[in-house]
Amino acid sequence: GEDVEQSLFLSVREGDSSVINCTYTDSSSTYLYWYKQEPGAGLQLLTYIFSNMDMKQDQRLTVLLNKKDKHLSLRIADTQTGDSAIYFCAEISAGGYQKVTFGTGTKLQVIP
Amino acid sequence: EPEVTQTPSHQVTQMGQEVILRCVPISNHLYFYWYRQILGQKVEFLVSFYNNEISEKSEIFDDQFSVERPDGSNFTLKIRSTKLEDSAMYFCASSELGEGFFGQGTRLTVV
Repeated sequence: GEDVEQSLFLSVREGDSSVINCTYTDSSSTYLYWYKQEPGAGLQLLTYIFSNMDMKQDQRLTVLLNKKDKHLSLRIADTQTGDSAIYFCAEISAGGYQKVTFGTGTKLQVIP
Repeated sequence: EPEVTQTPSHQVTQMGQEVILRCVPISNHLYFYWYRQILGQKVEFLVSFYNNEISEKSEIFDDQFSVERPDGSNFTLKIRSTKLEDSAMYFCASSELGEGFFGQGTRLTVV
């Protein structure tokens, strides 16, 4: 089955850039997502990228996709304390708009 | 901005009781989902629903669970005879073109 892996923890200083990495196994992934979850809260869709794209930029967020290596990254520029949260990478496969498979989540800690 | 809404935000129930978690998906979306997240663990897929029927379900979604779209706006998850291990955050999601929009979740506590 599909598998999505992430590192568990990342700590950065306020103002620095954060890079959260994700690897996935499903070569038929059509959409890849980044969700943010603050403590006790729901899942907020941050951004997504189609599998035929290499990069997508949205304000402070840059998503890079290396489809050959099945590697996805999320770069947050000028990281703020409000960015502290768990970030989930997720993918959806071809063949219909079915389930989203989530990664294990990366806890981002921003140090003031 | 349209959003997925879930009620209640927190539900406490006794073991063995039935609970119904409610969701109002985004109005023009066609695909609906339930996920759960046990505290501190990853988000797990339960079931997807399209065209008034289940399109896919995980091994977690056994006979204890059922989903229904009783009218044009609501999407419900029923858990029969709840167990302690059903305690989790349950997320509803809906999508139109693949990007999934999630509700804020219902925290279910089984005591």
